[in-house]
Parts: sequence; C-alpha cells; structure tokens
Amino acid sequence: DVVMTQTPVSLSVSLGGQVSISCRSSQSLVHNNGNTYLSWYLQKPGQSPQLLIYKVSNRFSGISDRFSGSGSGTDFTLKISRVEPDDLGVYYCGQGTQYPPTFGAGTKLELK
Amino acid sequence: EVKLLESGGGLVQPGGSLRLSCAASGFTFADFYMSWIRQSPGKAPEWLSFIRNKANSYTTEYNPSVKGRFTISRDDTQNVLYLQMNTLRAEDTAIYYCAKHDIGTTGAYWGQGTLVTVSS
Repeated sequence: DVVMTQTPVSLSVSLGGQVSISCRSSQSLVHNNGNTYLSWYLQKPGQSPQLLIYKVSNRFSGISDRFSGSGSGTDFTLKISRVEPDDLGVYYCGQGTQYPPTFGAGTKLELK
Repeated sequence: EVKLLESGGGLVQPGGSLRLSCAASGFTFADFYMSWIRQSPGKAPEWLSFIRNKANSYTTEYNPSVKGRFTISRDDTQNVLYLQMNTLRAEDTAIYYCAKHDIGTTGAYWGQGTLVTVSS
C-alpha cells in the first residue's frame, strides 16, 4: 500500500495567520493517465471529512481561495491563509492513484 | 444537494454479521461509483471498498483488510448502497461512511456515518 506521511502532527495558529501542511507518499502518485490523484480533506470536530482539494491543486465546489494545494510526484503541500475559526480540525491527505486508496494520519489544526 | 444517509450500525458480537445501507439523494446515483470508508476513533480514514456503475458492469474493488468478509452492492432502482459485513472482529469497530466518487477522488461527498461496535 502507498503510505502517506503527514507533517506536522499538530499545528497551533493565530486567527488570521498562515499555515502549511506537508504530505509525502511512499510512491509516485502520478497515474498512468497523467493525473495525480492527491486530495486534501478537513474533518471538523464531530463531523465527517469534507473534500477541500482534489488532483493536487483544484479547489472543490464552495471552498475558499484561502486554501491552496501544490506539489508533484511524492511531495505535496496544503496552505491555509488568513486562518478562521471554522478552519480548525484535522486535515488529511489522501491518494487515489494506487489501490487501495490510502490516507495520511492527519494534522490537527488548533488555535494558539 | 448531495445527501448520503447511512444506517444499519449497532452493537454486534465477534463473529457476527451486519448489513449497512446508504440512501443517496440529490444526484443521479446510477451514474456514479460509490465507496465505503471507515474510521476508528482517533484514527485516519480507511478505504474499504468501491463499486462501479452499470456502465462499468458494477465491478468492485476491496481493501485486502476486508476482502472475503465484506461485500459491497448497490440498488440503482432505490438509490441505495450496501455493505454486508461478515465474521466481524473487534478491530472492525469504527464509524462507517459511504462516499460518492467524483472529479477523480473517492471521497467527494461523505455521509454522516454509522457506528459499528464489535464487542461481546
């Protein structure tokens, strides 16, 4: 299975600040069809995960432009600017290039 | 609005069985691949299985961790996704989510989940 390694495990941020979360995969996530199936999810307390970013850098419907994804191959980053209270929770990266799809262990974003 | 509503969870003894259901609405269910994903307390989500649409012969894929014990199926006439779980173990205790595939991701939309607890 592809192992997804997220760092850091937790982050403390002030409202209005900016943070970056790293996600590394144990294998390249470039599919034979040329796409890279790397997604980012946010799980708010007591809720199910919600999709933020798909195929590395595409924001899902209704997602603020404060969220941006980048990267290629095995190294990926999620950046959140002007952090708001509603951004707090656990962020997961996930890959769908290789079966089975796998997720990182998560990064908890908390208020400083 | 896409809605996914899971049901069928509960307390079951080790070795027992459960069938989960996921009622879908707000989209043309028959057109989309669907997945089951679970999440143990404090852990990352774990993808379990997905089923393709009729155009792709309803073929299925499973995580090796559940292959042979779990069976995914769908009823496009009722817009319902199922997960039959047999020979349940304590480590199967988790919240089980159904998810809609879209735009190249297995988890474009998630339901609210149903809790399965395997314990004697």
